[in-house]
Amino acid sequence: GAGVSQSPRYKVTKRGQDVALRCDPISGHVSLYWYRQALGQGPEFLTYFNYEAQQDKSGLPNDRFSAERPEGSISTLTIQRTEQRDSAMYRCASSLEGQGRGPLHFGNGTRLTVT
Amino acid sequence: DQQVKQNSPSLSVQEGRISILNCDYTNSMFDYFLWYKKYPAEGPTFLISISSIKDKNEDGRFTVFLNKSAKHLSLHIVPSQPGDSAVYFCAASGGRDDKIIFGKGTRLHILP
Repeated sequence: GAGVSQSPRYKVTKRGQDVALRCDPISGHVSLYWYRQALGQGPEFLTYFNYEAQQDKSGLPNDRFSAERPEGSISTLTIQRTEQRDSAMYRCASSLEGQGRGPLHFGNGTRLTVT
Repeated sequence: DQQVKQNSPSLSVQEGRISILNCDYTNSMFDYFLWYKKYPAEGPTFLISISSIKDKNEDGRFTVFLNKSAKHLSLHIVPSQPGDSAVYFCAASGGRDDKIIFGKGTRLHILP
């Protein structure tokens, strides 16, 4: 498809398990962003990449969270030893332009539930 | 500390009238601003943007105004239509940080 694709759409996991969330951006887009969105809140910045380089990871809550984009296209957000407070909608977005310019195109998100 | 603030959680406007959504920011380094619209169960979609070199940008029924001295921007929708009912997010970027920061959103209800 032409849009940003995220998988899985829904993920239910037990506390303590690791999860990997995948984002397939629009082809040719330079920047890729990860956000977390709680119900009734705006997207909360986690990290972003320009091509394969992770430019800013200041929004990652702690060292259980990590992200990679090894070939400058698909990205994976990994959460180790999940906790209930990690439950949220995780959104990926890509942009044709880097450096915070150009509109972000969002995927439909992965709803993570930690039980 | 919230760098992008949308102080009105919700707003109701009569169909056909003007909707004005407000946004304030605290980081004086921000120089690029965007508005997004979100329907339930979908990701946010881009509406309109403005660079700090301008004070107004218009696209059809949507106009964004930027007041740099007040660190304030607003989105005007005129005339408002039923399909405009959604959550609207203000976002900003600039300076040394290229990350795009979002506000908490304002839910707009267009009344028949």
